[in-house]
Amino acid sequence: EAQVTQNPRYLITVTGKKLTVTCSQNMNHEYMSWYRQDPGLGLRQIYYSMNVEVTDKGDVPEGYKVSRKEKRNFPLILESPSPNQTSLYFCASSYKGYTEAFFGQGTRLTVV
Amino acid sequence: AQKVTQAQTEISVVEKEDVTLDCVYETRDTTYYLFWYKQPPSGELVFLIRRNSFDEQNEISGRYSWNFQKSTSSFNFTITASQVVDSAVYFCALSEANSNYQLIWGAGTKLIIKP
Repeated sequence: EAQVTQNPRYLITVTGKKLTVTCSQNMNHEYMSWYRQDPGLGLRQIYYSMNVEVTDKGDVPEGYKVSRKEKRNFPLILESPSPNQTSLYFCASSYKGYTEAFFGQGTRLTVV
Repeated sequence: AQKVTQAQTEISVVEKEDVTLDCVYETRDTTYYLFWYKQPPSGELVFLIRRNSFDEQNEISGRYSWNFQKSTSSFNFTITASQVVDSAVYFCALSEANSNYQLIWGAGTKLIIKP
């Protein structure tokens, strides 16, 4: 089954404790992205990757890191999480940037 | 400047009514794509439609239809004979060639269909 898998689905952590949210897709898609969703703001792109070893900042990259060492995986790293990073996070993949995006189920992160 | 505007924050209608969700976009690119996604209460994001800037044909899929008008920079979405299962947040998004096709999202419209 074609899918984008994010883990974990829910995470509560403390300020400053490094964490990684994993994202994996099985569709051989070139383009992957991370978004955060906050009430009233829609989705905002954090980082995107047009292919392996190519990553670029989106609209809200501060406080986040990503890597794309393999085509299927695109982890999101928060080196020192802060409460303003409490949000719902989505990973997405698409064949190309302009084609239909497939989304993971979301990760609800709370930083206390 | 907001590139994708969904002015309707929330719409509430009674089942079987028709409802139109507005989307206005802003771009200087000649090559761009417009999307609609649905986010039901369960939270997942579901693709509904994609339109490219060179194709202004309207589209109908069952009870759903989309009206793309470059002259007014709008890409509106109409649900005919709405059903309770249509209750969701609907997002319009723009992808521009000159921005590496990053998806720029509207704030979303929450649609409530009352039985």
